[in-house]
Amino acid sequence: NAGVTQTPKFQVLKTGQSMTLQCAQDMNHEYMSWYRQDPGMGLRLIHYSVGAGITDQGEVPNGYNVSRSTTEDFPLRLLSAAPSQTSVYFCASSPGQNYGYTFGSGTRLTVV
Amino acid sequence: GNSVTQMEGPVTLSEEAFLTINCTYTATGYPSLFWYVQYPGEGLQLLLKATKADDKGSNKGFEATYRKETTSFHLEKGSVQVSDSAVYFCALSLPTAYNNNDMRFGAGTRLTVKP
Repeated sequence: NAGVTQTPKFQVLKTGQSMTLQCAQDMNHEYMSWYRQDPGMGLRLIHYSVGAGITDQGEVPNGYNVSRSTTEDFPLRLLSAAPSQTSVYFCASSPGQNYGYTFGSGTRLTVV
Repeated sequence: GNSVTQMEGPVTLSEEAFLTINCTYTATGYPSLFWYVQYPGEGLQLLLKATKADDKGSNKGFEATYRKETTSFHLEKGSVQVSDSAVYFCALSLPTAYNNNDMRFGAGTRLTVKP
């Protein structure tokens, strides 16, 4: 089925470890974004991309890196995990402003 | 800046009750407005949208009207079901200097429907 695929679904990291959250979409969408969801805070934008080769920071970019080498893939890298990065991470894609975003099923990350 | 404010939850209703979840927005320009729904353990799903003033979005019995004069986009449903229990997010999308599709979300409202 077409959509946004995120892996892994669950992950436990130790403080200081690094990892990459994978995100792929097969809808040829230009726009892709990474959000984190924390209780009572809604969704906060970490990084976004408006097309292959173009990325920029959102509201809470510190501690995260992204790249967009292809239209399909938009991985999120945690450089040195901290307990404050314990959260649920969502990747989303969109063809344009009037269409809304299609979300992946999320990655639940715990940093101990 | 651009932002969305929605009513705090949780909201608890009996089956077949009328639902309203309030949402107001602040934006410099003319945003597109959205409601998303999140079921437990899942990602957000687009429920409905409206892209210009006075448009009404509708889906699965839910409705919301884009009111420019009151900067609001309240979600309504005439008769809720237990299966409507979820978290509902209001959101806006507006072009910015660097992103033509900057989506901002409200904090979410948890709805529980009891049989």
